[in-house]
Amino acid sequence: GQSLEQPSEVTAVEGAIVQINCTYQTSGFYGLSWYQQHDGGAPTFLSYNALDGLEETGRFSSFLSRSDSYGYLLLQELQMKDSASYFCAVRDLYSTLTFGKGTMLLVSP
Amino acid sequence: NAGVTQTPKFQVLKTGQSMTLQCAQDMNHNSMYWYRQDPGMGLRLIYYSASEGTTDKGEVPNGYNVSRLNKREFSLRLESAAPSQTSVYFCASSATLSGGPTDTQYFGPGTRLTVL
Repeated sequence: GQSLEQPSEVTAVEGAIVQINCTYQTSGFYGLSWYQQHDGGAPTFLSYNALDGLEETGRFSSFLSRSDSYGYLLLQELQMKDSASYFCAVRDLYSTLTFGKGTMLLVSP
Repeated sequence: NAGVTQTPKFQVLKTGQSMTLQCAQDMNHNSMYWYRQDPGMGLRLIYYSASEGTTDKGEVPNGYNVSRLNKREFSLRLESAAPSQTSVYFCASSATLSGGPTDTQYFGPGTRLTVL
């Protein structure tokens, strides 16, 4: 089976940088994905890492270390609109995506 | 392009009633999924269809059935609703289910179901 651990809640102020960590256990690892979900909305795709290292997309970056079964999502220059839940997800050889329980990010002025 | 659409947006059922949640995608995706989301539980996979003509159970299939009507449409049926099925239901689709970035899932807006 697969399991993922991520913090339940993170708080930060506007303009700051925040890192949301994700550790996972899986077999036949295919990649780590991140999704964002605003309250009452649908999850939307943010990033995907298949190889070790950092992927950057604007203010968001995602990092993966396959040897440590660990990844993180880095959000820079935080804005109020970044307040949302963030889910990491992994897929292994034998199944579809498994999502973590989500991290609620609260950005304050 | 509407992406992934779901109907209805809201539904209230009484225990024992049945209903079907509809989902359609216009992205020519091969794979489709049904999830439920409960507070503090994240997204849990109910059923999925890797390609037209196939369906498979996910993590929490009990009490549900699915039909992949064609490449575009994937419906979820509750035969005899129970209060434990009160949840938000999301349909999603992806181009493939083969490993890699084309597995990226696109979600519909969700159906908020309450079973009394």
